Amino acid sequence: KAGVTQTPRYLIKTRGQQVTLSCSPISGHRSVSWYQQTPGQGLQFLFEYFSETQRNKGNFPGRFSGRQFSNSRSEMNVSTLELGDSALYLCASSGTQVTYEQYFGPGTRLTVT
Amino acid sequence: TQLLEQSPQFLSIQEGENLTVYCNSSSVFSSLQWYRQEPGEGPVLLVTVVTGGEVKKLKRLTFQFGDARKDSSLHITAAQPGDTGLYLCAGTNTGNQFYFGTGTSLTVIP
Repeated sequence: KAGVTQTPRYLIKTRGQQVTLSCSPISGHRSVSWYQQTPGQGLQFLFEYFSETQRNKGNFPGRFSGRQFSNSRSEMNVSTLELGDSALYLCASSGTQVTYEQYFGPGTRLTVT
Repeated sequence: TQLLEQSPQFLSIQEGENLTVYCNSSSVFSSLQWYRQEPGEGPVLLVTVVTGGEVKKLKRLTFQFGDARKDSSLHITAAQPGDTGLYLCAGTNTGNQFYFGTGTSLTVIP
């Protein structure tokens, strides 16, 4: 099986712009979660989608949004970018609803200047 | 407040030494996982433990889930430079909420 893929791998944006990141989960996985990882804050949960519905949400402002399509692919959008949004954004898919084992993509490195 | 606290936060050891990383919580978890992450990449799942007192071995790595399912440990025997990375525990609590630990950064010096 192919792993989780994320595009793009690297992105440079200017403060105030918006950005969309894409994630394709492992085939058959219906749960997709997004995380933000920074050196100071570690791995922070953004949200989880299951069957096109947001099932869980972390403590991030409304500028961060996401969606999931019928083929389980997911996108994450950040509007009005701030310098503090610079981070590695990780997507993970899960095929279990009990242990929530997560399979991660390589991440998108976003730099906001 | 982090639900899953890992210790130590940083660890630098010589090749061949043994080490233990701890993952502690005041909450009960129905399952717990360990991941390893290398710089610039996503975390990779190492193991899942679900039963209190459970011990799993993966080559030189030994994982244990506490009897009360509130804590876990990862023991590495004869560490090698390839073990270098960020080790993360993660768990699902009895309310089906999923949490990651604070992380332990391990450096193994050749």
